[in-house]
Amino acid sequence: KAGVTQTPRYLIKTRGQQVTLSCSPISGHRSVSWYQQTPGQGLQFLFEYFSETQRNKGNFPGRFSGRQFSNSRSEMNVSTLELGDSALYLCASSTGLVPYEQYFGPGTRLTVT
Amino acid sequence: SQQGEEDPQALSIQEGENATMNCSYKTSINNLQWYRQNSGRGLVHLILIRSNEREKHSGRLRVTLDTSKKSSSLLITASRAADTASYFCATDETSGSRLTFGEGTQLTVNP
Repeated sequence: KAGVTQTPRYLIKTRGQQVTLSCSPISGHRSVSWYQQTPGQGLQFLFEYFSETQRNKGNFPGRFSGRQFSNSRSEMNVSTLELGDSALYLCASSTGLVPYEQYFGPGTRLTVT
Repeated sequence: SQQGEEDPQALSIQEGENATMNCSYKTSINNLQWYRQNSGRGLVHLILIRSNEREKHSGRLRVTLDTSKKSSSLLITASRAADTASYFCATDETSGSRLTFGEGTQLTVNP
């Protein structure tokens, strides 16, 4: 089975721009979760999509949004980028059912200058 | 905010020795999972232990869970240089599927 893929792997953007990250989950998995990892805040949950619906949301501003398509692929969008958005963005795939075992992609390294 | 706290923050041992990492959490949980992350890369799922389990083994890994103390430990036996990585515990609360991660333990195994 192919693993979780994320594109692009690296991205450099300027403050004020917007960015879209993509995640393809493991075949058959219906849930995609997004996490932000920074040295200062660690791993923080952004949101989870299950069967095209946002099921859980973390404490991030509205500039962070996402969606999920009928094939379970998910995109995350960040608008009006700030320097503090520089981070490793990780997506995780799961069946969406208990026990919520999640499998992570390699991440997208976003640098905002 | 991080639910879990991991202890120690950093651990350096020699190849062949055992490594023990601890994790504490604050709320009731469904399950606790351990992940490994090699420098700046994605997380690799190691093991999941359910809240009604006390101990679980997988290869050289042994995980214990004490829900009364809200704590877990990960033991890696006969460590190898390739085990050098950051190790995170993650819990999913009884209310949903989101994972809350600890701050991680940086393990260095010296050859």
